[in-house]
Amino acid sequence: AQSVTQLDSHVSVSEGTPVLLRCNYSSSYSPSLFWYVQHPNKGLQLLLKYTSAATLVKGINGFEAEFKKSETSFHLTKPSAHMSDAAEYFCVVSDRTGANNLFFGTGTRLTVIP
Amino acid sequence: GAGVSQTPSNKVTEKGKYVELRCDPISGHTALYWYRQSLGQGPEFLIYFQGTGAADDSGLPNDRFFAVRPEGSVSTLKIQRTERGDSAVYLCASSRGLAAPYNEQFFGPGTRLTVL
Repeated sequence: AQSVTQLDSHVSVSEGTPVLLRCNYSSSYSPSLFWYVQHPNKGLQLLLKYTSAATLVKGINGFEAEFKKSETSFHLTKPSAHMSDAAEYFCVVSDRTGANNLFFGTGTRLTVIP
Repeated sequence: GAGVSQTPSNKVTEKGKYVELRCDPISGHTALYWYRQSLGQGPEFLIYFQGTGAADDSGLPNDRFFAVRPEGSVSTLKIQRTERGDSAVYLCASSRGLAAPYNEQFFGPGTRLTVL
């Protein structure tokens, strides 16, 4: 079975400081992992994805995530937060055996303080 | 091009009523997915279609929920005898195919269902 655990329900950072959103995964198979962002009243948008190529994955808007198999982690980072980054972020795992169901974490709400 | 669209954006109904939620996928996308997002939670998988057939409906919570995609494009999620616990945002997504790199899912804005 696949699942993800987002360790923080809410993260607050000051504008211009680094962002770290933590995610641990559990999967019976070699997983595909994703981060999605959800702005208020907008659809989910894919930030980045890991599918067994490079372990350090770069996404849109300056975000990146590193797949660490030994720690079963896929934390999302950004060097410098912008006000526009304030949103809900979801860590997601997919079973790579052929099913395409996405399993979402419970989300981390990022607040950026001016 | 146009993204995934869902109608209505909001639906308020009374307990026991029947509702239909519609999803228009991105043109040419063969796979279509339904998810349900309850307040304060991440989306939960309900069902997905490859073409006209339901490839996996293991996430449907009970037999009051049913979805169709008769022509392999538009899909309708149907809920019979609605209950207050069905209140949630229902999300639809589509992908070009099922295998990488075509399996990236693009999400619609959702339909917010409120059952009074």
